[in-house]
Amino acid sequence: GQNIDQPTEMTATEGAIVQINCTYQTSGFNGLFWYQQHAGEAPTFLSYNVLDGLEEKGRFSSFLSRSKGYSYLLLKELQMKDSASYLCAVVDSNYQLIWGAGTKLIIKP
Amino acid sequence: DGGITQSPKYLFRKEGQNVTLSCEQNLNHDAMYWYRQDPGQGLRLIYYSQIVNDFQKGDIAEGYSVSREKKESFPLTVTSAQKNPTAFYLCASSKHGGSGADTQYFGPGTRLTVL
Repeated sequence: GQNIDQPTEMTATEGAIVQINCTYQTSGFNGLFWYQQHAGEAPTFLSYNVLDGLEEKGRFSSFLSRSKGYSYLLLKELQMKDSASYLCAVVDSNYQLIWGAGTKLIIKP
Repeated sequence: DGGITQSPKYLFRKEGQNVTLSCEQNLNHDAMYWYRQDPGQGLRLIYYSQIVNDFQKGDIAEGYSVSREKKESFPLTVTSAQKNPTAFYLCASSKHGGSGADTQYFGPGTRLTVL
């Protein structure tokens, strides 16, 4: 079967750095998305990785290792507004999107 | 401003009633999707449509129906056959159909509660 694993919840301090991991076992791979979702709101697109390596976008970076079936989202200089769930989703060999359950990130002052 | 709208934000339904959730987009996107989100689970695909007048079942289509008569609109009907309909429903669209690798943009969601 297809499986995406993320930690259920993480806590970090304002101003710090946090890394949210995502591991996947899917039938094929055609890219990996990260989305941010505030409670009760729509998921919003953060990043898309299809090649190995690190993609940086301001305070957020996303890393992919296809050989290890592994990705992480790195958030720097954490702000209170970063408190949200972070969803990892993988595009499989049939170009279907497989979603992880999400990681709830709690930021403390 | 282009975007995706869903209405209503909150919806209450009595058991045995059908209910229709609205989804409209003005992004000129070809593809549209309906997802269901439950606590502790990933998004699950209900139905998707790559072009007008065509739609496909997702992983959990039982108890749901859709139509795609216009490019902009993709309403979802939750029928009385859906055993556990209380959930957060999200509509999304992407520029092109046929590829999950296309970025999906989401509406604000409708929270359905069955009383």
